[in-house]
Amino acid sequence: QVQLQESGPGLVKPSGTLSLTCAVSGGSISSTKWWSWVRQPPGKGLEWIGEMSRSGSTTYNLSLKNRVTISVDKSKNQFSLRLLSVTAADTAMYYCATSDGSCLDIWGQGTMVTVSS
Amino acid sequence: QPVLTQSSSASASLGSSVKLTCTLNSGHSGYIIAWHLQQPGKAPRYLMKVESSGTYNRGSGVPDRLSGSSSGADRYLTISNLQFEDEADYYCETWDSNTRVFGGGTKLTVL
Repeated sequence: QVQLQESGPGLVKPSGTLSLTCAVSGGSISSTKWWSWVRQPPGKGLEWIGEMSRSGSTTYNLSLKNRVTISVDKSKNQFSLRLLSVTAADTAMYYCATSDGSCLDIWGQGTMVTVSS
Repeated sequence: QPVLTQSSSASASLGSSVKLTCTLNSGHSGYIIAWHLQQPGKAPRYLMKVESSGTYNRGSGVPDRLSGSSSGADRYLTISNLQFEDEADYYCETWDSNTRVFGGGTKLTVL
């Protein structure tokens, strides 16, 4: 069974860049079709950030499109998120997740990122 | 684009049943949705997919006291024999070629 684990800095300064990695274990990253990122501000609901397909295409939430990049490193069995020019509004729990081509069916445990000076 | 609407809260007694609703917006009533469970302080967990026909497919390890159904633009998650561990937030999800969206979530309280 594929498992996901997020990692990255827990604190990012305003106007800085948020960078997170999702390590895939228990199977090949190519065994799933879509690699996604979702976030959840404290006390709020889930917000989809974007995803990359196995073929290399990407789709992003229009509200974040100009600031976000999702990439994959198949040799390391991991995928990554970069979010530019962060503000306090980007403070959230960040989850990576994968899809079989339809819904998200495997989730990571999440990593909390706080934007503060 | 698709939009999902959920009631903010629901409650039911221990051992009883509860039916949670997720409603698709106009023009998207044929979409498949997925249900996810988020227990306090934990990551979301995939529960099942529900099609417009009412066909549902539970994820691995999801107990059979959870079931799905559908009526028009509404997709349902029914939990039977409620346990205290079912007290959680429940989110529905849908997707198309350009986006993926979540409902606002329903907080279920077990009395």
